[in-house]
Amino acid sequence: KAGVTQTPRYLIKTRGQQVTLSCSPISGHRSVSWYQQTPGQGLQFLFEYFSETQRNKGNFPGRFSGRQFSNSRSEMNVSTLELGDSALYLCASSLAGRDYGYTFGSGTRLTVV
Amino acid sequence: EDKVVQSPLSLVVHEGDTVTLNCSYEVTNFRSLLWYKQEKKAPTFLFMLTSSGIEKKSGRLSSILDKKELFSILNITATQTGDSAIYLCAAVYSSASKIIFGSGTRLSIRP
Repeated sequence: KAGVTQTPRYLIKTRGQQVTLSCSPISGHRSVSWYQQTPGQGLQFLFEYFSETQRNKGNFPGRFSGRQFSNSRSEMNVSTLELGDSALYLCASSLAGRDYGYTFGSGTRLTVV
Repeated sequence: EDKVVQSPLSLVVHEGDTVTLNCSYEVTNFRSLLWYKQEKKAPTFLFMLTSSGIEKKSGRLSSILDKKELFSILNITATQTGDSAIYLCAAVYSSASKIIFGSGTRLSIRP
């Protein structure tokens, strides 16, 4: 059974650019959530999608957005990149969220220069 | 403001020691608490605790939740070098699938 797949593994972007990250959940999982992990702030919740609908959102600016497709794959977009956006971006999938364990992908390491 | 606080922030012990990691939470509409182990990138799921006072065990690891005092502990007995990792706890809200993580405890096991 394939795990959660995130692509790309690494990204280097310059300030002002935009970036799109992809997450393919475990087959059958309908919930996908996104997190930003930095040494200073730890793991912070970005948003969660279930059946193509955003169910919850963390405290991040509107430059951070996401979407989920009918096959449960999810994308996260960050526009107008800032140096502080450099982080490990993790996604996690779950059957339906909340009462089920979350399985994390290996993440995308984004570096903004 | 809702928060999850882990202590200690870091811990260095010798192989064979027993360690206890702490996690306290202040979360409105709390539903459950999760423990994860993060070695390199992907955190791996350890436990989900929903009921107070019921210990969950997996090999040398065990965890328990106290919903009255709003904390959880993760115990690791007979530690091994492979237990070296960051241990994360997270509180899950009841209203939706939002999760709030603690900052983690960095555990280092010396041979």
